[in-house]
Amino acid sequence: KAGVTQTPRYLIKTRGQQVTLSCSPISGHRSVSWYQQTPGQGLQFLFEYFSETQRNKGNFPGRFSGRQFSNSRSEMNVSTLELGDSALYLCATRTAQETQYFGPGTRLLVL
Amino acid sequence: ELKVEQNPLFLSMQEGKNYTIYCNYSTTSDRLYWYRQDPGKSLESLFVLLSNGAVKQEGRLMASLDTKARLSTLHITAAVHDLSATYFCAVVNNAGNMLTFGGGTRLMVKP
Repeated sequence: KAGVTQTPRYLIKTRGQQVTLSCSPISGHRSVSWYQQTPGQGLQFLFEYFSETQRNKGNFPGRFSGRQFSNSRSEMNVSTLELGDSALYLCATRTAQETQYFGPGTRLLVL
Repeated sequence: ELKVEQNPLFLSMQEGKNYTIYCNYSTTSDRLYWYRQDPGKSLESLFVLLSNGAVKQEGRLMASLDTKARLSTLHITAAVHDLSATYFCAVVNNAGNMLTFGGGTRLMVKP
């Protein structure tokens, strides 16, 4: 079956703009998590959605938000972009007790 | 707060040699994962370890888990160049919906 897909794959924005990233899970996977990866901070958990509800949130400012739709697809939004938001954003999906499978990521560059 | 530490952070080894990567974590967890990441790529799932004493092997890689010591190891046997990558361990929280990652071990296998 098809893997996790993320769009766009690459994005360049300027400070102060906002951005929306999309994640389509593996068919049947209802949990979608988002992670940020930077050279300095490593891999950090942003939030997790299940059945359109946010179940957990990491330690990120309110500029980072997300949502999940009824078809389990998820979006995350970052408003008022800062240089430090430049990162690889990964989404991961899973069923209840399975491994989390990661998508290819969206590489965001903020200028 | 769950903390995960990996060591070493960087490992340069010659083909044919054996080595072990260590992953320590601070609080009890039901599951521990090992992932591989190639430069510029996403995370590829290698192993999920569910119980004390669990051992899993795939090719030249073998992972084990000691939940009492809160320690997992990833053992590399007779390394080959294709194993060059960054390896991450990750531990799941009690709710099962968040991974906390170690800092990663960058492995370089030289001919």
